[in-house]
Amino acid sequence: NAGVTQTPKFQVLKTGQSMTLQCAQDMNHNSMYWYRQDPGMGLRLIYYSASEGTTDKGEVPNGYNVSRLNKREFSLRLESAAPSQTSVYFCASTGPNEKLFFGSGTQLSVL
Amino acid sequence: GQSLEQPSEVTAVEGAIVQINCTYQTSGFYGLSWYQQHDGGAPTFLSYNALDGLEETGRFSSFLSRSDSYGYLLLQELQMKDSASYFCAALYNTDKLIFGTGTRLQVFP
Repeated sequence: NAGVTQTPKFQVLKTGQSMTLQCAQDMNHNSMYWYRQDPGMGLRLIYYSASEGTTDKGEVPNGYNVSRLNKREFSLRLESAAPSQTSVYFCASTGPNEKLFFGSGTQLSVL
Repeated sequence: GQSLEQPSEVTAVEGAIVQINCTYQTSGFYGLSWYQQHDGGAPTFLSYNALDGLEETGRFSSFLSRSDSYGYLLLQELQMKDSASYFCAALYNTDKLIFGTGTRLQVFP
């Protein structure tokens, strides 16, 4: 049982490059989330999807786009990366009793 | 906006009891969760309160007061391994889940 799988684990980009972070869950969860966590800080919600086919902005959506491809997959795209987007990114999905299951994280550096 | 406030840091000794408070915005609020995160790791779920009162899970308990827009996490019989960051997270309507600023707990021998 893999849970929440996100790739890649590490990525270095140059300013202006684009990339997509992939996330998949195998627990049949409806809701999925993307968060970013800066050093010593809390998790800030970028986008979330309450069900297949719907997406909503979180606290810090600017500079990002998302796709809920199907119930399993929820991807995060940076169209033109900026140094301010250097962070650790976590994907998560919600199970019973509102328990959030997290992926292992993606450490992104934008130079 | 929907922001949650927590103390930034708490220190305690092994065997002690510590309480981490959290206040949240009420508009659209459904329930309050708590997560633990060790350095370099992903957050892990501790508890969820949808109703007022105390929920107990082993050494950890969580409390919610909807009338006061307030909750807390109570950690008993502290162990060194409890040193970590603790986050409250509020669930709002449309399934929006917002995290607090985090409390760093240091447990000393």
